[in-house]
Amino acid sequence: DADVTQTPRNRITKTGKRIMLECSQTKGHDRMYWYRQDPGLGLRLIYYSFDVKDINKGEISDGYSVSRQAQAKFSLSLESAIPNQTALYFCATSDPDGTSNQPQHFGDGTRLSIL
Amino acid sequence: DAKTTQPPSMDCAEGRAANLPCNHSTISGNEYVYWYRQIHSQGPQYIIHGLKNNETNEMASLIITEDRKSSTLILPHATLRDTAVYYCIVSQIYNFNKFYFGSGTKLNVKP
Repeated sequence: DADVTQTPRNRITKTGKRIMLECSQTKGHDRMYWYRQDPGLGLRLIYYSFDVKDINKGEISDGYSVSRQAQAKFSLSLESAIPNQTALYFCATSDPDGTSNQPQHFGDGTRLSIL
Repeated sequence: DAKTTQPPSMDCAEGRAANLPCNHSTISGNEYVYWYRQIHSQGPQYIIHGLKNNETNEMASLIITEDRKSSTLILPHATLRDTAVYYCIVSQIYNFNKFYFGSGTKLNVKP
């Protein structure tokens, strides 16, 4: 099983719809992140959470909200989707102590298309 | 955090060493150099990081110049599966919320 699981993997929806992307992890990491990636560009941070009670905005949080339901779950919502939110979305977790060989783990992504 | 400069693309023959350069001339004393790669549209994969000493792990080696203004990621024996976009990132230790991925270098490993 994947350490960081994102659902759905693909989603096509219409402008104005509310969308929720879910992320769950089995790494036991406290820190979780949501990024978006546009074609030909690197990842940009949307929101991050250092623990269940800690939520922080990233570089491009407008139009998005998040919920950290548990240590293992971090959801990203688009309250009213618009076409320029069409992108590849990644969830990630990190080990703040850096004790593992892989200090940050990414999910396989959700490809979101908004028509 | 300091920004980095990487060539947009590089080619490498299969079985040869791939040397990917990165310039980070404004790096601060407490900032590390991180390398990630992204194969096709999969989630990025952490490769290695270092402060000032050269580092090696099972995936790659990281060579940082003495003035720390540039670094090179070395894949000693590139395979076709190493074809990916490689990102060089400068940030304080484990400060992933401050990472700037940029556009990276597309490494094409050719048979």
